[in-house]
Amino acid sequence: DGGITQSPKYLFRKEGQNVTLSCEQNLNHDAMYWYRQDPGQGLRLIYYSQIVNDFQKGDIAEGYSVSREKKESFPLTVTSAQKNPTAFYLCASSIYGGPSYEQYFGPGTRLTVT
Amino acid sequence: AQSVSQHNHHVILSEAASLELGCNYSYGGTVNLFWYVQYPGQHLQLLLKYFSGDPLVKGIKGFEAEFIKSKFSFNLRKPSVQWSDTAEYFCAVNALNGNKLVFGAGTILRVKS
Repeated sequence: DGGITQSPKYLFRKEGQNVTLSCEQNLNHDAMYWYRQDPGQGLRLIYYSQIVNDFQKGDIAEGYSVSREKKESFPLTVTSAQKNPTAFYLCASSIYGGPSYEQYFGPGTRLTVT
Repeated sequence: AQSVSQHNHHVILSEAASLELGCNYSYGGTVNLFWYVQYPGQHLQLLLKYFSGDPLVKGIKGFEAEFIKSKFSFNLRKPSVQWSDTAEYFCAVNALNGNKLVFGAGTILRVKS
């Protein structure tokens, strides 16, 4: 069954700790994306990757880092430099990068930092 | 920079009422337009999309949207809503010379049975 897996569903961390959110896809998609969803603000793009070993900053990349060592995996690290990390994080993929391809979304990870 | 405005954050309707959710965008060039839906406890999924051609596009579950270029709008409609349409709806725009979707703030629709 093809799709996008994000784990864990809920994550709790203490302030000052880095935390890595997992995103795996078995759709054989080239492009992958990370979004942050906050109530009343929609989805905002953090990072995206159109091909393995390459990624670009989105609109709110500060305090986050990513890697794309494998086509199927695009982990996101929320660092201690991120001022307001508590949010719902969504990973997505599309067959290719660019504006003409539908993005498919994972179930999300809700991160709470106290 | 592109931006997307969704006019209402919360909409409450009774079953069988008609629905129209507004979406306006600020980019002047050629765009691809999308409506996504997030049902409670489910993944965000594509409802419909417009790339070119007939400006009236039909999506899943009886939804449709009309692209009006002169008004920079892509409003979502459904003639008769059902309780199962309760969800959050997001409009999104992707400029043809860009690589990323820009989302609106979302509209939470609650349908009373």
